[in-house]
Amino acid sequence: EIVMTQSPATLSVSPGERATLSCRASQSVGSNLAWYQQKPGQAPRLLIYGASTRATGIPARFSGSGSGTEFTLTISSLQSEDFAVYYCQQYNYWPPWTFGQGTKVEIK
Amino acid sequence: VQLVESGGGLVQPGRSLRLSCTASGFNFGASAMTWFRQAPGKGLEWVGFIRPKGYGGTTEHAASVKGRFTISRDDSNSVAYLQMNSLKTEDTAVYYCTRGQAETTTLYWFDPWGQGTLVTVSS
Repeated sequence: EIVMTQSPATLSVSPGERATLSCRASQSVGSNLAWYQQKPGQAPRLLIYGASTRATGIPARFSGSGSGTEFTLTISSLQSEDFAVYYCQQYNYWPPWTFGQGTKVEIK
Repeated sequence: VQLVESGGGLVQPGRSLRLSCTASGFNFGASAMTWFRQAPGKGLEWVGFIRPKGYGGTTEHAASVKGRFTISRDDSNSVAYLQMNSLKTEDTAVYYCTRGQAETTTLYWFDPWGQGTLVTVSS
């Protein structure tokens, strides 16, 4: 089973600032990595797949990068609606599909 | 494109429950369907997966639920099911239904997700 590790657990950022979230896989998953956003009381929403492709309707301020075992989600200028928990997920080796433990982006 | 889960509720340990996921707005029969769950205050855990009939309609289940939970599908009504037997307190979670998406391979990411249905296992 591939173990996904996200850092930091919590990221305190001011509105308008850049946020950089990290995700590491226990072995190479190629570019088969997705990012999801989850707000309190809501379902996860797909942001990024293929490590760097934005899903339909996702604003350009969200960008993904990386391959192999190291991945990054960058939010270029945080908006109020971006404060949420973000999960990375590998889909190169399945089952099981595995997620990181999440990074909470909170208002500084 | 929409997924709507139903069937959650309060159930005693050892009992059964069946969740439903009703799909609309896409070709359900051609889609892989998946259930995930999220225990209170915790992260996301994969539960079960079913391939479209064109890929055999076969299933996969997480080790934590294998032998107790069964995913199935009714393509004529665009519904995916999760039959949960021998429920344990640790199965308490919000259960989400989602569609597997892939490009030219069978490497699936997941979109969209339903709103979730809460299952509470308690005496």
